[in-house]
Amino acid sequence: DAGITQSPRYKITETGRQVTLMCHQTWSHSYMFWYRQDLGHGLRLIYYSAAADITDKGEVPDGYVVSRSKTENFPLTLESATRSQTSVYFCATGQGRNQPQHFGDGTRLSIL
Amino acid sequence: DQQVKQNSPSLSVQEGRISILNCDYTNSMFDYFLWYKKYPAEGPTFLISISSIKDKNEDGRFTVFLNKSAKHLSLHIVPSQPGDSAVYFCAATYSGTYKYIFGTGTRLKVLA
Repeated sequence: DAGITQSPRYKITETGRQVTLMCHQTWSHSYMFWYRQDLGHGLRLIYYSAAADITDKGEVPDGYVVSRSKTENFPLTLESATRSQTSVYFCATGQGRNQPQHFGDGTRLSIL
Repeated sequence: DQQVKQNSPSLSVQEGRISILNCDYTNSMFDYFLWYKKYPAEGPTFLISISSIKDKNEDGRFTVFLNKSAKHLSLHIVPSQPGDSAVYFCAATYSGTYKYIFGTGTRLKVLA
């Protein structure tokens, strides 16, 4: 049981391209989250979802789009990638308030 | 505005000694706090948490202390082991939200 699977693990693309990062969970947790990790900033929330078809913005949502048509999937799309979006992206799931979130192993994205 | 701060980017400790990692927060509404550990090329893993109704929580070698008046929490690892070498993030949340705010992380190195 993989729990949370992120794909791809590594991605290199060019500015202006659209890129989608995938996140799949097998736990049926209601909540799913996308974070980016950057030096000096720690983990910052991009978007989150409380259930299928319910999404909301986090701290740094600009330039990103999410969808959640199925409970187990939560893709993150960069519609027109910029160099400032070079980062490590983590997907996480959670069962509710005051419950730990569980993280995937991340996607390292480089935008040239 | 960094609501959760980890002012020490790095810490080195001898094996067998105590490691103390610190975290300060500014938002008095935070009522649940967590510590995560992160190894390179992996996602953060949950370590220990504490509710604001407590001032201490213990789990094996790991103890988290919460000082609400000082808006400060700390993670104690006793005894420290080389396998504890990782980046440690503190996180906080409050009633009415499912979002966590993370600190910038402290890199712990335990020397054999």
